[in-house]
Amino acid sequence: GDSVTQMEGPVTLSEEAFLTINCTYTATGYPSLFWYVQYPGEGLQLLLKATKADDKGSNKGFEATYRKETTSFHLEKGSVQVSDSAVYFCALTNNAGGTSYGKLTFGQGTILTVHP
Amino acid sequence: KAGVTQTPRYLIKTRGQQVTLSCSPISGHRSVSWYQQTPGQGLQFLFEYFSETQRNKGNFPGRFSGRQFSNSRSEMNVSTLELGDSALYLCASSLRGTGGAKRNTEAFFGQGTRLTVV
Repeated sequence: GDSVTQMEGPVTLSEEAFLTINCTYTATGYPSLFWYVQYPGEGLQLLLKATKADDKGSNKGFEATYRKETTSFHLEKGSVQVSDSAVYFCALTNNAGGTSYGKLTFGQGTILTVHP
Repeated sequence: KAGVTQTPRYLIKTRGQQVTLSCSPISGHRSVSWYQQTPGQGLQFLFEYFSETQRNKGNFPGRFSGRQFSNSRSEMNVSTLELGDSALYLCASSLRGTGGAKRNTEAFFGQGTRLTVV
């Protein structure tokens, strides 16, 4: 079945540092890829998405590029802020075969802590 | 536009009891999915409802069930609660239509219901 693997966490950075969180996936067909963020005590918020190979999703300074050749969707930000401290989830949906509608498959999550 | 609303936010139940959680999707959204989030297992898909029909189901025992009403509101029920059912239960709604290979529309999540089984 489909799966998503995120880099082992947690990640601790100083403010203005560069962020990379690695994400790789296994899926048949052409899944859509997402990054979600979860702040303490909250549900999930969509950060960015990409629906086909070579698409780049971007939002709030975060970027990720859908790389089909490496089955990856790494999250990057050039300069993190304390307010970016949260848990980040890589996820995919895959309608190959028409059986996976409405299902997001998530990675295990990466805790990001940014210090002033 | 109101977001996804889950009620209640917090619940404490004892083993063996049953519980019902509610989810009101964003107006116009017809698809509602449920997820269980635990520290050990992460985010796991429970099931998805569209047009009052369960369209997809994850690997959970039959104690976990759900339904969707004609106004797209959804409930999930867990019977014979176990300690391991303690989790954050998240609901997500989307505009998903039927058919087509690329109907991957954005899922909007509620704040969740924190269930504690004692």
